[in-house]
Amino acid sequence: GQSLEQPSEVTAVEGAIVQINCTYQTSGFYGLSWYQQHDGGAPTFLSYNGLDGLEETGRFSSFLSRSDSYGYLLLQELQMKDSASYFCALPTGGFKTIFGAGTRLFVKA
Amino acid sequence: DADVTQTPRNRITKTGKRIMLECSQTKGHDRMYWYRQDPGLGLRLIYYSFDVKDINKGEISDGYSVSRQAQAKFSLSLESAIPNQTALYFCATSDPRDGGGGTDTQYFGPGTRLTVL
Repeated sequence: GQSLEQPSEVTAVEGAIVQINCTYQTSGFYGLSWYQQHDGGAPTFLSYNGLDGLEETGRFSSFLSRSDSYGYLLLQELQMKDSASYFCALPTGGFKTIFGAGTRLFVKA
Repeated sequence: DADVTQTPRNRITKTGKRIMLECSQTKGHDRMYWYRQDPGLGLRLIYYSFDVKDINKGEISDGYSVSRQAQAKFSLSLESAIPNQTALYFCATSDPRDGGGGTDTQYFGPGTRLTVL
């Protein structure tokens, strides 16, 4: 089966950089995705890594190491609006996606 | 207009009642999903459907049933609601062609907050 582990909470200061880690176990690997969810809102897709390395989208970057079964989401120049929950997720070859329990990010002024 | 809509947005019901949550989408996606979200447990898959004639159980299907009335409509039913089904329910869609076929990006509706007393 598949499973993902990520920290339950992370706190950082406005303007800083924060890294949210995710380790996973899966029998077949089809990439690692990240989603953001604000309180009261729906999850929205942020990024996807199919191959090792860094993918950058504006202030957000996502990294993958398949040999370590590990990835992280990096948020730079943190803003108060980045306070949200972040989920790593495993697509399973186009059949369904398995989500981690989520990391709650608190951004302090 | 929202691409994925859910009705109702909030529902309070009593134990033993039958409840239907509805989902509609205008994205033209064949694949639709129902998830349940509980604090600290992330999103767990209840059922998914890849076309009108295809229904599949997810990891927590007990106590739930679904109906795919059309490509654009996917309903979730709780035949006899119980308090531990109190949760936030999300419908989602995906297109297997997204991102070259690997991402399986999920597009979520706004959610239905269900409380079973």
